[in-house]
Amino acid sequence: DAEITQSPRHKITETGRQVTLACHQTWNHNNMFWYRQDLGHGLRLIHYSYGVHDTNKGEVSDGYSVSRSNTEDLPLTLESAASSQTSVYFCASSGGLSAYNEQFFGPGTRLTVL
Amino acid sequence: KQEVTQIPAALSVPEGENLVLNCSFTDSAIYNLQWFRQDPGKGLTSLLLIQSSQREQTSGRLNASLDKSSGRSTLYIAASQPGDSATYLCAVKSGGSNYKLTFGKGTLLTVNP
Repeated sequence: DAEITQSPRHKITETGRQVTLACHQTWNHNNMFWYRQDLGHGLRLIHYSYGVHDTNKGEVSDGYSVSRSNTEDLPLTLESAASSQTSVYFCASSGGLSAYNEQFFGPGTRLTVL
Repeated sequence: KQEVTQIPAALSVPEGENLVLNCSFTDSAIYNLQWFRQDPGKGLTSLLLIQSSQREQTSGRLNASLDKSSGRSTLYIAASQPGDSATYLCAVKSGGSNYKLTFGKGTLLTVNP
């Protein structure tokens, strides 16, 4: 079955280190998204991509970057991890070029920055 | 800027009760609205997707309605069960050509046996 996976599921790192969270989907979806979920804020969009080599900033993109070299993967990089980036990170994808398609979510990565 | 509000923030009901969760949004120019379920420590599971041209969608004991002009949606759960206990999230897709989902903060539902 097609799916969306994230790795690692849990990560502890130190302030200032570079961290990369992986997202892989097997639906062949064009559109991929990264969100973070925090108490009191709900889910907020970090970055998104509508296809290979396309990336866009969301509402909380500072300190994060993404690159899209193929359809299946959208890795999220924290250039220099900060304690404020401790959160649960979700990757999502949706198919086609239409705005009307359903979005599917991965299981999440819990990141702790000490 | 689209804003999504969910009321109540938490709800506790006895098993068997019918219940309604509410979602409101500020910009009625939406593509669709999606209801999700999230269990503790887990990802989001899509429950229902309502396109902007639709009034409601049904799946089993769940029924979601959409009134785009008033900026409201409801999720109706019939004959609630303890297994329905979870956080329910509402999200709307809007934003013109750069369409994206905006989430509410969720309603934490507890169904007591």
